[in-house]
Amino acid sequence: AQTVTQSQPEMSVQEAETVTLSCTYDTSENNYYLFWYKQPPSRQMILVIRQEAYKQQNATENRFSVNFQKAAKSFSLKISDSQLGDTAMYFCAFVSDGGSQGNLIFGKGTKLSVKP
Amino acid sequence: DGGITQSPKYLFRKEGQNVTLSCEQNLNHDAMYWYRQDPGQGLRLIYYSQIVNDFQKGDIAEGYSVSREKKESFPLTVTSAQKNPTAFYLCASSIAAFTEAFFGQGTRLTVV
Repeated sequence: AQTVTQSQPEMSVQEAETVTLSCTYDTSENNYYLFWYKQPPSRQMILVIRQEAYKQQNATENRFSVNFQKAAKSFSLKISDSQLGDTAMYFCAFVSDGGSQGNLIFGKGTKLSVKP
Repeated sequence: DGGITQSPKYLFRKEGQNVTLSCEQNLNHDAMYWYRQDPGQGLRLIYYSQIVNDFQKGDIAEGYSVSREKKESFPLTVTSAQKNPTAFYLCASSIAAFTEAFFGQGTRLTVV
């Protein structure tokens, strides 16, 4: 079975500092995609960043970047220059093109609090 | 503006009633999904549809039903067979399977 594990239920960071959220996944597939979603208190799920497994280069989106370690099946999210608006639940998600469903599999989330 | 619209935002159900949650998208996406979110559980897949007039059960389909008569619409019915329906329900769509999904704003269902 394909699974996604986020080992940090809660984290906090001071405004303007850097924080890294961890994610590991388990799959026997070779072609897949990984995502980080943000869910602020409004509960709207927002795509933060995506990574294709076939790409060796780590994805970046402004202050957000990932460290993708395919052999270790690790996909961490780094948030630089943290802002108060980054306070949210963050979900790691996975989808492979080898499965029959094609749907996202989510971790249980990490609650991030940015402190002023 | 393109997007996914879920309605209502809040819904209350009496014991034994069926209720239907609406999900409409104007993104021209083929695939649509329903997820359930409970505290500390992440998101769990209820049903998904990759094309009109076709849908498949997800991990927790018992007590739920769906239809996909139009590309734009994917309503979810929570039946009386669902023993613990109080949860936050999220609808999503994607241009195709195996790509990122875009989400609606959710419906909070409470049994009273």
